[in-house]
Amino acid sequence: GQNIDQPTEMTATEGAIVQINCTYQTSGFNGLFWYQQHAGEAPTFLSYNVLDGLEEKGRFSSFLSRSKGYSYLLLKELQMKDSASYLCAVRDDGNNRKLIWGLGTSLAVNP
Amino acid sequence: GAVVSQHPSRVICKSGTSVKIECRSLDFQATTMFWYRQFPKQSLMLMATSNEGSKATYEQGVEKDKFLINHASLTLSTLTVTSAHPEDSSFYICSVRDRGGEQYFGPGTRLTVT
Repeated sequence: GQNIDQPTEMTATEGAIVQINCTYQTSGFNGLFWYQQHAGEAPTFLSYNVLDGLEEKGRFSSFLSRSKGYSYLLLKELQMKDSASYLCAVRDDGNNRKLIWGLGTSLAVNP
Repeated sequence: GAVVSQHPSRVICKSGTSVKIECRSLDFQATTMFWYRQFPKQSLMLMATSNEGSKATYEQGVEKDKFLINHASLTLSTLTVTSAHPEDSSFYICSVRDRGGEQYFGPGTRLTVT
């Protein structure tokens, strides 16, 4: 079956670093995505990994290990506006290459 | 990245009526659009994949006669919720996929059925 696991909730302090983990078990794999979603809004794209390793983009970095079925999203220098839900999604390798979504991690950044 | 719009952003309708939601790709010709539904504090649930010029592909458990999808052009897909009921109240989001494989989401439509 298809399964994506990520923690339900996390809290962190402004200015700190937080790592959000995602493990997946899917029948196919054609890339892993991280999205940010604020309450009442649609998701916005953060990062995409298809090869093993770390992708850095400003304060956000994403890591992938395909052999371990594991990814993490690293957020540095946390700001209050980073309080949001972070969604991990795996793209399958079928014809439609649809995304399989995790349930999301709700991150609360405290002052 | 692609710019995606949805209309309306919010709609309230009475039980038994039908509601049409439009999804437009403003700067990109999208051969494939996706329709999602999201209930409060839950993740996105893919409802269907909309292919331009052909019938949509519905996910298991999604009634194709209740959720009508029309993808008549490369920039417009519509989702019609027919005979809406209160349990259809949800956040409906469309997305388009570009040639690089990235998906961009519309701002979503909040449907409330009374």
